[in-house]
Amino acid sequence: SQTIHQWPATLVQPVGSPLSLECTVEGTSNPNLYWYRQAAGRGLQLLFYSVGIGQISSEVPQNLSASRPQDRQFILSSKKLLLSDSGFYLCAWSVKSGLEAFFGQGTRLTVV
Amino acid sequence: GNSVTQMEGPVTLSEEAFLTINCTYTATGYPSLFWYVQYPGEGLQLLLKATKADDKGSNKGFEATYRKETTSFHLEKGSVQVSDSAVYFCAQLSGGYNKLIFGAGTRLAVHP
Repeated sequence: SQTIHQWPATLVQPVGSPLSLECTVEGTSNPNLYWYRQAAGRGLQLLFYSVGIGQISSEVPQNLSASRPQDRQFILSSKKLLLSDSGFYLCAWSVKSGLEAFFGQGTRLTVV
Repeated sequence: GNSVTQMEGPVTLSEEAFLTINCTYTATGYPSLFWYVQYPGEGLQLLLKATKADDKGSNKGFEATYRKETTSFHLEKGSVQVSDSAVYFCAQLSGGYNKLIFGAGTRLAVHP
């Protein structure tokens, strides 16, 4: 069966520090991968998606970047965090021919 | 652009009460529609979906009907349980690659 791992679960980082969140998927190959964020009081917003290794599409301009160095690995990064980067980050995957997205348990990031 | 609007919470109900969480969407065409649920401490999981107008999605006693006339996909359950306490997200597929647009989420609290 397929599983998705996302870590860490919670993170407190100072303004200006770097960020790296990692997500890995098991039990499937060539998935679509996604990073979503939920800021306080707002809905989940798609940040990045990837349809293959090295292929990254950004949905919104921001202080973050994403990379997909391996087929089932998706990384969210920042060189210098801003207070506005605080939020709940969710990684997800889907098969290319399906409709359903499968989500990780999320990372709650607080920038102080 | 495409969007999803759902009623603000929290919604507080007594056990066995009737639940309605309203969701409306704006889109060009007729996108697939979803309800996702997030139980405390867990990631999002698909609750139900509908892929075309007049479809009814159902799962675990929850139902939602795709109404193109009113561009709505309201979530209903006839008798809620304490274990239904969670955050519910309405979403639509948008723009290919299984990208999702989410509503802000509605927190449901059911007390005995």
